[in-house]
Amino acid sequence: DTGVSQDPRHKITKRGQNVTFRCDPISEHNRLYWYRQTLGQGPEFLTYFQNEAQLEKSRLLSDRFSAERPKGSFSTLEIQRTEQGDSAMYLCASSLAQAGANYGYTFGSGTRLTVV
Amino acid sequence: DAKTTQPTSMDCAEGRAANLPCNHSTISGNEYVYWYRQIHSQGPQYIIHGLKNNETNEMASLIITEDRKSSTLILPHATLRDTAVYYCIVRGNFNKFYFGSGTKLNVKP
Repeated sequence: DTGVSQDPRHKITKRGQNVTFRCDPISEHNRLYWYRQTLGQGPEFLTYFQNEAQLEKSRLLSDRFSAERPKGSFSTLEIQRTEQGDSAMYLCASSLAQAGANYGYTFGSGTRLTVV
Repeated sequence: DAKTTQPTSMDCAEGRAANLPCNHSTISGNEYVYWYRQIHSQGPQYIIHGLKNNETNEMASLIITEDRKSSTLILPHATLRDTAVYYCIVRGNFNKFYFGSGTKLNVKP
């Protein structure tokens, strides 16, 4: 399978616990994005990486959230001290950014987080 | 990036063409129109994109008006599996995708 992989698919955690999600992008893609989606809404941008550099973070990404892409390949998204409002689907996408080209994103299936 | 306006929901009979409209009146010359869809509990799936010419692929056709202020996604023979939320997005090169609430397409037998 050469698509975008996310792990785990589902995560249930107690309020106050830390959680970490992993995303494996398409191997030749240099850009990786994290989005969050709550019920009935479209995905909302959180952050993105070009190779290993985190180039932009949304205001939605509070201090409790941190994302890394240490070797420019897979990425992790960690949420510390989870709150019930963090319950959502967390989506990862990757793309190839090249000058003069316009490529779309390929999304993973997402990680559904439930904070109880 | 320009904003888009889509109807909240639409119905379509199975086997008929589904025509999903999108308004993007503030689109600029270098911005592309993208369509994605999201089936329940899955990640968004790319359908098609275009700049100014009409486009067709194995999934759908994209019709962009001459002034580029609106577009229509056409699913020529809708099936029950096409029931999903369809997102119309306008995006410039290297910019992020901003999703609105999309159109919920209900394909009915």
